[in-house]
Amino acid sequence: DTAVSQTPKYLVTQMGNDKSIKCEQNLGHDTMYWYKQDSKKFLKIMFSYNNKELIINETVPNRFSPKSPDKAHLNLHINSLELGDSAVYFCASSQVSSGLSYNEQFFGPGTRLTVL
Amino acid sequence: DQQVKQNSPSLSVQEGRISILNCDYTNSMFDYFLWYKKYPAEGPTFLISISSIKDKNEDGRFTVFLNKSAKHLSLHIVPSQPGDSAVYFCAASPAPWNKFYFGSGTKLNVKP
Repeated sequence: DTAVSQTPKYLVTQMGNDKSIKCEQNLGHDTMYWYKQDSKKFLKIMFSYNNKELIINETVPNRFSPKSPDKAHLNLHINSLELGDSAVYFCASSQVSSGLSYNEQFFGPGTRLTVL
Repeated sequence: DQQVKQNSPSLSVQEGRISILNCDYTNSMFDYFLWYKKYPAEGPTFLISISSIKDKNEDGRFTVFLNKSAKHLSLHIVPSQPGDSAVYFCAASPAPWNKFYFGSGTKLNVKP
């Protein structure tokens, strides 16, 4: 019973193409995230949505656009893919509510994107 | 500008011994700290957390220590088991609802 799922798991594409990565969580969480794990293995947050509203928007190129059709889904669309976009992208979710001490995030398995 | 650093990319420990994974941070506003464990081809999974009101938190074989004055935290695993072999990430944030900054991870290898 997968808590946070991502599709596809692997994505190989040519420079200049447009691609999407889908993420779904069945945990009933109110917040979802996209992270990028670069070649140096750092996990860097890209976006965060709380109840379908964008709350974190890091300095990422405009070619990256998140879309949250509902609380359980956060998709990532990437236009005009570049070589430097090659990375592993992780989706995560959490329940962020007042009184909660820790924001434990549940991660999906990751999508390895390779741009040729 | 990495605000969370894990300076040891890898660590090898004998089964049954203690594993100590270290994490340093630069932002004095960080008050919430998480450790995640990651197996290959999987996403990170939450392991243990600590907030700045404590200096220690224990969960079974896992203990996290926080030294705020030194801006340093460590994860102790006692006793280490081969199944603990994974990459361990620490993460820090000023508040639970803010973004978390992750370190680059330490790959732990527990030898049987």
